[in-house]
Amino acid sequence: GDSVTQMEGPVTLSEEAFLTINCTYTATGYPSLFWYVQYPGEGLQLLLKATKADDKGSNKGFEATYRKETTSFHLEKGSVQVSDSAVYFCALNNDMRFGAGTRLTVKP
Amino acid sequence: DSGVTQTPKHLITATGQRVTLRCSPRSGDLSVYWYQQSLDQGLQFLIQYYNGEERAKGNILERFSAQQFPDLHSELNLSSLELGDSALYFCASSVEGGREETQYFGPGTRLLVL
Repeated sequence: GDSVTQMEGPVTLSEEAFLTINCTYTATGYPSLFWYVQYPGEGLQLLLKATKADDKGSNKGFEATYRKETTSFHLEKGSVQVSDSAVYFCALNNDMRFGAGTRLTVKP
Repeated sequence: DSGVTQTPKHLITATGQRVTLRCSPRSGDLSVYWYQQSLDQGLQFLIQYYNGEERAKGNILERFSAQQFPDLHSELNLSSLELGDSALYFCASSVEGGREETQYFGPGTRLLVL
């Protein structure tokens, strides 16, 4: 069946470091791909999405490119801030599949 | 604030009991989703409704049921509760439930079964 595999955490970075969180998927057809973020004590909120191959989603300095050839949707940010500390979920809209989540902590 | 509201915020109950969780979607959204988030299982999709009708089913146990009412709010009923049902339950909504649509999540209901 369809699935999402996400880089295991936790990830701890210093402020202004480069962030990559890997996400790969297995799916039938041409799914849409999402990154959601969950801040402490809150529900998930959409960070970015891409609906077809080679699309790049971007928001708040985060980017991810839908790579059909490698079935990947890796999340990147060039310079993280303390306020980016949260749990990040990669998701596939087929059967509403979510990855296990990656906890990011950014230290000043 | 996503515009999705969930009540109650916290719920403590005993094994064998039954509880009802309530969700009000964003104004104008016709589709509601329910998820369970636990430490060992991660975020699991339970069920989706669109305009009162069940649209998709995920890993929902037979002891659990849901419905969406004419005013579009939804309720998730959990019965014969077990310790393992302790989790955070999220409701999300989207405009029409399409696969490319963004889902807007509520703050969740934390259920503790003792």
